[in-house]
Amino acid sequence: AQSVTQLGSHVSVSEGALVLLRCNYSSSVPPYLFWYVQYPNQGLQLLLKYTTGATLVKGINGFEAEFKKSETSFHLTKPSAHMSDAAEYFCAVMGGTGFQKLVFGTGTRLLVSP
Amino acid sequence: DVKVTQSSRYLVKRTGEKVFLECVQDMDHENMFWYRQDPGLGLRLIYFSYDVKMKEKGDIPEGYSVSREKKERFSLILESASTNQTSMYLCASRRTSGGSFFGPGTRLTVL
Repeated sequence: AQSVTQLGSHVSVSEGALVLLRCNYSSSVPPYLFWYVQYPNQGLQLLLKYTTGATLVKGINGFEAEFKKSETSFHLTKPSAHMSDAAEYFCAVMGGTGFQKLVFGTGTRLLVSP
Repeated sequence: DVKVTQSSRYLVKRTGEKVFLECVQDMDHENMFWYRQDPGLGLRLIYFSYDVKMKEKGDIPEGYSVSREKKERFSLILESASTNQTSMYLCASRRTSGGSFFGPGTRLTVL
């Protein structure tokens, strides 16, 4: 069975600082990995996804993530935080036999201060 | 512009009422999903459907049922609402091998 662990329910950064949101996964088969963002009172929006191929994945709004199989990690980064990045971020994994379901982490709320 | 819409953004119901949450997608996706989102628990899958009239239980189906009579529409039903079903409900759809698109969510309060 697949599972996702997001370290830190809240992360605070200053505007212009590096953003690092951590995600570790567990999967018995090569996984598909996703990061979603949720702005207040909205649904989830796909930031980026890893399926196969290049392990460094670039997404929208300047975010990127690197799939590291040896560390079972898929951390999300952005070189310079912007106030508009304040939101909740969810890591998700999909894999295994049969119907493919998304399994989500518990989310990390990113706070950006001026 | 692709879209998943949910019938209500906010809903207040009383304990014991029957509640219908509707979801419509315009992308001709085979698969549709209902999740509930609670603080500290992330998103948990309630039910999903991979075709018209087909439904499968997710991780927390107790107290819920679903209906999919048309490809574009997936309904979540709370047969007898309870206070522990107060939550944010999110609908999503996707193709078999694609990423999921989410609706804006329905915040349900059961009094």
